[in-house]
Amino acid sequence: GAGVSQSPSNKVTEKGKDVELRCDPISGHTALYWYRQSLGQGLEFLIYFQGNSAPDKSGLPSDRFSAERTGGSVSTLTIQRTQQEDSAVYLCASQGGGVTEAFFGQGTRLTVV
Amino acid sequence: GQNIDQPTEMTATEGAIVQINCTYQTSGFNGLFWYQQHAGEAPTFLSYNVLDGLEEKGRFSSFLSRSKGYSYLLLKELQMKDSASYLCASDNDYKLSFGAGTTVTVRA
Repeated sequence: GAGVSQSPSNKVTEKGKDVELRCDPISGHTALYWYRQSLGQGLEFLIYFQGNSAPDKSGLPSDRFSAERTGGSVSTLTIQRTQQEDSAVYLCASQGGGVTEAFFGQGTRLTVV
Repeated sequence: GQNIDQPTEMTATEGAIVQINCTYQTSGFNGLFWYQQHAGEAPTFLSYNVLDGLEEKGRFSSFLSRSKGYSYLLLKELQMKDSASYLCASDNDYKLSFGAGTTVTVRA
């Protein structure tokens, strides 16, 4: 596609359920980032994939969070046993090779009730 | 992540000029980006600096001093639609890190 695509755009889930959030990056982009943004707050870094290198998972807030990137393209962020504090907008961004701007998807708004 | 500092909020009048400062870590530095984020929307790219000096793009300009680890975004002839959060992002060792953003409110 022309841009970064995220799905679903909105997700309401019950506390304790697992959720999967999907990101389709721009074709050919080697870098992919996941961020979390709570209302009125800045971007919180979660995880970074770059090519075939081991991902930088240093921003994942707990072991309930995991992400994978299959075939260097699509990425899935999984949150297990969701908690109310997980409610936020989850943004994905992809970046081409070298030092170039990152392009953001429209995000998934997750609400845990 | 990398320490990026920028002010939390700024307010200015329509037609005025506002300068948003940003400091970042210089270790492994490759470039500095500015993004704009309107409420409820994703961030969008505004500018990129890799060399010292000023880059001008219409009403928006961005400045970089690599030796000082300092950048600013200058917004001129402010319009109401410029009310948004402005994010400074540093590429260090080929990884982007974002500041918390500066919320700019433009008043009539």
